[in-house]
This record gives sequence, C-alpha cells and structure tokens, in this order.
Amino acid sequence: DTAVSQTPKYLVTQMGNDKSIKCEQNLGHDTMYWYKQDSKKFLKIMFSYNNKELIINETVPNRFSPKSPDKAHLNLHINSLELGDSAVYFCASSPGTSTFSSYNEQFFGPGTRLTVL
Amino acid sequence: AQSVTQLDSQVPVFEEAPVELRCNYSSSVSVYLFWYVQYPNQGLQLLLKYLSGSTLVKGINGFEAEFNKSQTSFHLRKPSVHISDTAEYFCAVTEAAGNKLTFGGGTRVLVKP
Repeated sequence: DTAVSQTPKYLVTQMGNDKSIKCEQNLGHDTMYWYKQDSKKFLKIMFSYNNKELIINETVPNRFSPKSPDKAHLNLHINSLELGDSAVYFCASSPGTSTFSSYNEQFFGPGTRLTVL
Repeated sequence: AQSVTQLDSQVPVFEEAPVELRCNYSSSVSVYLFWYVQYPNQGLQLLLKYLSGSTLVKGINGFEAEFNKSQTSFHLRKPSVHISDTAEYFCAVTEAAGNKLTFGGGTRVLVKP
C-alpha cells in the first residue's frame, strides 16, 4: 500500500526516558512534517523537512529532535520525556513545498499515541 | 500569522438531518482553506479544499463548503448525515505558497439514530 506509516502506533513510557517515533512515506514525496495533537484535540505543526532539509521549526523544546536520514523518512526523537509530552503525534508528507501557482496536499499518517507516566 | 476558530466544539445531530460546521479564519494574506475529518482512532483525511475559483467546493462523502472572503468564513455542510459521519472535523488554513497548516480546535459531530 502506498501511504504514510508510523511506528509504533502506541508508546507508553516513563518520565525521563528517551524515545523515538518513526515515519516513512512511499509516495515519493519531497516534504515531510510532524504535528502534535494534544489531549484537547488541538493540532499544531512542529517541524517540516524538504529533501532532508529543515524548513519549518516551530517553538518546540530542544528535547525534540527530528532526523531525516533520507527524504522518505522523518523520525522524531524525544529526550527526557515529560508528562506534557503525552499526545498523539502525526506525521505527514506532501509532494513538495507549495507556491503561489501550485499547492501540494499533505497526506497524514495514522498517528502515534504517546503516553508518559 | 493566521488563526482558525471553530465555533462549535460539539454538534449532536440526528441521522438524515442536515449539519453545518462553522469555521472562521484570520490572515493578512491570501490563504488556502481545508476541512479534514478524523474518524475515531484514525489519522486525518482531507474532505475538501479551497484554493481559488468557485467559492462553493464539493468534497468527498457528500460534504461541501463555501468560502466567504468578506466574512472570513469557510463553513462545512452536509444535507443529510449518516451514522458513519460521526467523527472529529478540523478546519485548517495555510498561507497561499505556505506549507504550515494551522488547524482549528476541531468540532466533534455525533450522529444519533
């Protein structure tokens, strides 16, 4: 299936641990994103990479470090997990970056539910 | 910077009744507008989008939305809902030529038999 996939689907861990969430897309897209959905369902962008280069970096704690080994993968590593990091993390991808003459639709993965105890 | 307000956090509706979900946005530049649906325990799926042209856009599953520039609104409608439309609906905006989607807080639609 062509899609955006994330692993794991669920992640339960203790405060202070370091964890990673992986994202892969086989759509041939150049741009990938990480979004965070909090307990109130509020969705906000965290990062975006285009061809392995960081293009969007919102005000996210530096405990969060995205890594793009190639343009099909964008992994999210989180150090020293805190209770407030509990959320659903969505990965997305788009064919490229948008311009005034063309919009590139973002396709979302199924999400990773992170619970920090 | 842009922002999105979804005026209703929850909308209960009976099966086969019409539904309207309200969305207002603010931006100092031209925008693209979207509605996404999130079914329980699933990811986001694009329902429809407005980029330019006709202000009435039709999407999947019988949904449509109307862009009103003067009122800075992009309300979503469906004339007759099904039980399967029970989901969370998100309005989103991005600056034209931008890549950062800004989402509203979501509207939970609960369709009752």
